[in-house]
Amino acid sequence: QVQLQESGPGLVKPSETLSLTCTVSGGSISSYYWSWIRQPAGKGLEWIGRIYTSGSTNYNPSLKSRVTMSVDTSKNQFSLKLSSVTAADTAVYYCASGAGYFQHWGQGTLVTVSS
Amino acid sequence: QSVLTQPPSVSAAPGQKVTISCSGSSSNIGNNYVSWYQQLPGTAPKLLIYENNKRPSGIPDRFSGSKSGTSATLGITGLQTGDEADYYCGTWDSSLSAGWVFGGGTKLTVL
Repeated sequence: QVQLQESGPGLVKPSETLSLTCTVSGGSISSYYWSWIRQPAGKGLEWIGRIYTSGSTNYNPSLKSRVTMSVDTSKNQFSLKLSSVTAADTAVYYCASGAGYFQHWGQGTLVTVSS
Repeated sequence: QSVLTQPPSVSAAPGQKVTISCSGSSSNIGNNYVSWYQQLPGTAPKLLIYENNKRPSGIPDRFSGSKSGTSATLGITGLQTGDEADYYCGTWDSSLSAGWVFGGGTKLTVL
């Protein structure tokens, strides 16, 4: 059973860069799509973007200028960087697997943007 | 405002049936598979339905999905109190702003 686990700082200062990593266990990260999705408190889901294990990426157009995703197949991990964060980026961040649908999800990690 | 439109809330009594609609356009639902996710309070979303009407292993057949044109529907029969959750539809949008899109979510209350 594939399991995903997000990790990273829970508090980021405004204008700085949010960095999160998702570790995949119970299966190989190779030859698959891996996404980041976020959810502000009390609100709906927002897809941030996805990366294929070849390194090919697709980003949400509304976030594209600030998002960078990468993958490290040797560590079975993929990562998210979101630059120039503001309070509006405060949310629970999930990593998820899949292309046509999101089959597996991490438990989520709360990231708060505050000075 | 979400690209896919869902009712904010639905409710029904235990044992009854409820449907949740998800409306989109030709650039998303009209030409791509729809999936549905259940989010119980305080937990991560869980895949309920994929490719319009398929259920992952372990999802009871009380949950069903369908698609017609640019709309999709999630059906839940034999409602249980444990079904109280937020439900989201999602699909790929193939427009110029291509990417994955979700509905705004529907809160199901089992009265």
